[in-house]
Amino acid sequence: SQTIHQWPATLVQPVGSPLSLECTVEGTSNPNLYWYRQAAGRGLQLLFYSVGIGQISSEVPQNLSASRPQDRQFILSSKKLLLSDSGFYLCAWSPGPSYGYTFGSGTRLTVV
Amino acid sequence: AQSVTQPDIHITVSEGASLELRCNYSYGATPYLFWYVQSPGQGLQLLLKYFSGDTLVQGIKGFEAEFKRSQSSFNLRKPSVHWSDAAEYFCAVGAGTYNYIFGTGTRLKVLA
Repeated sequence: SQTIHQWPATLVQPVGSPLSLECTVEGTSNPNLYWYRQAAGRGLQLLFYSVGIGQISSEVPQNLSASRPQDRQFILSSKKLLLSDSGFYLCAWSPGPSYGYTFGSGTRLTVV
Repeated sequence: AQSVTQPDIHITVSEGASLELRCNYSYGATPYLFWYVQSPGQGLQLLLKYFSGDTLVQGIKGFEAEFKRSQSSFNLRKPSVHWSDAAEYFCAVGAGTYNYIFGTGTRLKVLA
């Protein structure tokens, strides 16, 4: 069966520090991968998605970047965090448009 | 442009009472429709989905949803709510592309 792993679960980082969140999927190949951010009291904001290795689509221009160095690995990064980057970050995968997403357990990022 | 509206930000029901959460979408054709549930601090879990066929779909945890094309709605229902159903519920729309549009969520509170 397919599983998705996301880490770390919580992270407290100072303003201006770098960020790296990792997400991996097991039990499938060539998944569509996604990074979402969920701010308190708000819905889900799609940040990046990828349909293949090295293919990254950005939905919102911002302080973050994403990479997909391997088929089942998706990394969210920042060179310098801002206070506004605080939030709950969710990784998800899908085999295709009609299947829905499977989400990871999320990373709570607090920038101080 | 596609959009999803969940008109109720908060809903409170008594345990054992019936539940209906509203979802309206805007899209030119029949989209893929999903309901997700999120417990505090957790990722989202897929409850059910619709993309064709019978307009009444059954999901996990005793939930069901009905697609009504004339009303552009996909409301989630449960005949008898349990205390463990307290969570946030998200409706999502997919249109054959790689990413979905999520509503802003409805937070459900269950009274003992």
